[in-house]
Amino acid sequence: NAGVMQNPRHLVRRRGQEARLRCSPMKGHSHVYWYRQLPEEGLKFMVYLQKENIIDESGMPKERFSAEFPKEGPSILRIQQVVRGDSAAYFCASSRMTGGKNIQYFGAGTRLSVL
Amino acid sequence: QQPVQSPQAVILREGEDAVINCSSSKALYSVHWYRQKHGEAPVFLMILLKGGEQKGHEKISASFNEKKQQSSLYLTASQLSYSGTYFCGTENAGGTSYGKLTFGQGTILTVHP
Repeated sequence: NAGVMQNPRHLVRRRGQEARLRCSPMKGHSHVYWYRQLPEEGLKFMVYLQKENIIDESGMPKERFSAEFPKEGPSILRIQQVVRGDSAAYFCASSRMTGGKNIQYFGAGTRLSVL
Repeated sequence: QQPVQSPQAVILREGEDAVINCSSSKALYSVHWYRQKHGEAPVFLMILLKGGEQKGHEKISASFNEKKQQSSLYLTASQLSYSGTYFCGTENAGGTSYGKLTFGQGTILTVHP
């Protein structure tokens, strides 16, 4: 049973370019979460999605960031016009949420470097 | 507002025990514990749902005091493989916070031979 798959593992962008991060949840999981982690810091919640719906985007910056989880295909976190402050590790997690338990399993992350 | 973890760092010798605490100012529905090694994904350890619940996973166990909004992670007879950063993630009770985990700042655990 494959885990949460994220790609690419490493992404280098120049300031002003767009970054697209992909996440395929575990089989049978319909809930996807995106978190951002700066070096030596904890995980910061960004957005929670179910298929075709954004459930909670309270952690997303108001501008340049967007996320989707289409009916078919992976979840995408999109960062437009990247700036140096966007450099971080972006982790995706998925869950099934059964029996009141929301156990989130994490992917290996995408490390974004903005030059 | 993120939960507060203590201590920030722990250094152990193999076989020693450690306790990591996680405290929140909000009413909690659940507490999740993860371990992350440098450059890797956080790995799920356990989830605690009910007040006073205690769960175990070999030599790693945890408790959750719902009234105090606190959880503790107990590592006994530590092994080298226990080294890493431990995070607690809290899920707030009620409202629209369901599903969203708020993580503490992490506790760095180092186990020496």
